Amino acid sequence: DAGVTQSPTHLIKTRGQHVTLRCSPISGHKSVSWYQQVLGQGPQFIFQYYEKEERGRGNFPDRFSARQFPNYSSELNVNALLLGDSALYLCASSTGIIGELFFGEGSRLTVL
Amino acid sequence: SQQGEEDPQALSIQEGENATMNCSYKTSINNLQWYRQNSGRGLVHLILIRSNEREKHSGRLRVTLDTSKKSSSLLITASRAADTASYFCATAPAYSSASKIIFGSGTRLSIRP
Repeated sequence: DAGVTQSPTHLIKTRGQHVTLRCSPISGHKSVSWYQQVLGQGPQFIFQYYEKEERGRGNFPDRFSARQFPNYSSELNVNALLLGDSALYLCASSTGIIGELFFGEGSRLTVL
Repeated sequence: SQQGEEDPQALSIQEGENATMNCSYKTSINNLQWYRQNSGRGLVHLILIRSNEREKHSGRLRVTLDTSKKSSSLLITASRAADTASYFCATAPAYSSASKIIFGSGTRLSIRP
């Protein structure tokens, strides 16, 4: 079975642009969570979706939004990019809400 | 904000020695999990311990949980070069309407050959 897949793996944007990151969960997993990881720090929680509904939101500005589709895949959107948005964005899927997370390899975003 | 804080921030030991990492957290939890991350890669789940458990083993890993002290420890026995990575604890909150698993800042473990 395929693991969690994320795309793109690397991308470079300029300040003010918009970015969309995509995630496909493990088959059968209904929960997708998004994390931001800045170099040298732990992952910071952004969103969790379960059964296509938002179940948790971290302390991120409204420029960050996400959604989950009927096939349980998910998108993370970030508008009006800032230099500080440069980070590794990790997607994780799970069967439930608070159990073991299965991570993808991440999308590395660089904002210039 | 980080719920868990790992200690030490960095640890360097000789291959074959045991490595111990500690995690402290702030609020009541449903479970606590440990993850490993090789540089720039995704995180890999190692072990989950529930709030009503005190100790759990998996291969060379031993995790303890003390809910009265809001702390956990991860012991890796007989370390190998392949254990070089960052290790994170993560907590799932209890009694919360918001569902989120929160990670600590991590311990960078280096195994010297």
